[in-house]
Amino acid sequence: DTAVSQTPKYLVTQMGNDKSIKCEQNLGHDTMYWYKQDSKKFLKIMFSYNNKELIINETVPNRFSPKSPDKAHLNLHINSLELGDSAVYFCASSQDSSLTGNTEAFFGQGTRLTVV
Amino acid sequence: GDSVTQMEGPVTLSEEAFLTINCTYTATGYPSLFWYVQYPGEGLQLLLKATKADDKGSNKGFEATYRKETTSFHLEKGSVQVSDSAVYFCALSDIRNDMRFGAGTRLTVKP
Repeated sequence: DTAVSQTPKYLVTQMGNDKSIKCEQNLGHDTMYWYKQDSKKFLKIMFSYNNKELIINETVPNRFSPKSPDKAHLNLHINSLELGDSAVYFCASSQDSSLTGNTEAFFGQGTRLTVV
Repeated sequence: GDSVTQMEGPVTLSEEAFLTINCTYTATGYPSLFWYVQYPGEGLQLLLKATKADDKGSNKGFEATYRKETTSFHLEKGSVQVSDSAVYFCALSDIRNDMRFGAGTRLTVKP
């Protein structure tokens, strides 16, 4: 049973299109994330949602919008796709441990987005 | 804000060589520290972690010790194998539950 699953695994699309990537976790975690990994493997946090509330937004263009219909889902919508958006996008989740800070993130398998 | 800095790669070693990947952090509180590994074509997996100063995390022959005085969490393995070839990420999680990752270090182990 996959803990964090994201779909699709691969996505090829043209510039200017709008696309979505879905993410679901069945771990009962309170916090979900979206990360972008570029061609050099650098991992950059994009968003973090805690109990359906956005708590991080790291200077990401407003073409990117996270949508969380419930605690188990955090989808990523991207409008007007650009060539530079090509990357691997990872969804992750973690249990909120605000008292101890002792938490680890569980990752999905990634979505490779290619904009042509 | 909190951040993680790890050594630049790529790192290429022969099988059975000793591995060290340096990681230092900047944090205002007392973060938990992690090493994640990403095998080719896969997502990130937790390799080991330490939650307080002087803790040692270990797994699959890898070790890292939480050094508060030097704000470091260096990853070591005494004898690497070809199957250890992957990208390694140092990370921290602070009291706000923010996960911050280093840039990643690609390790290639040759037979």
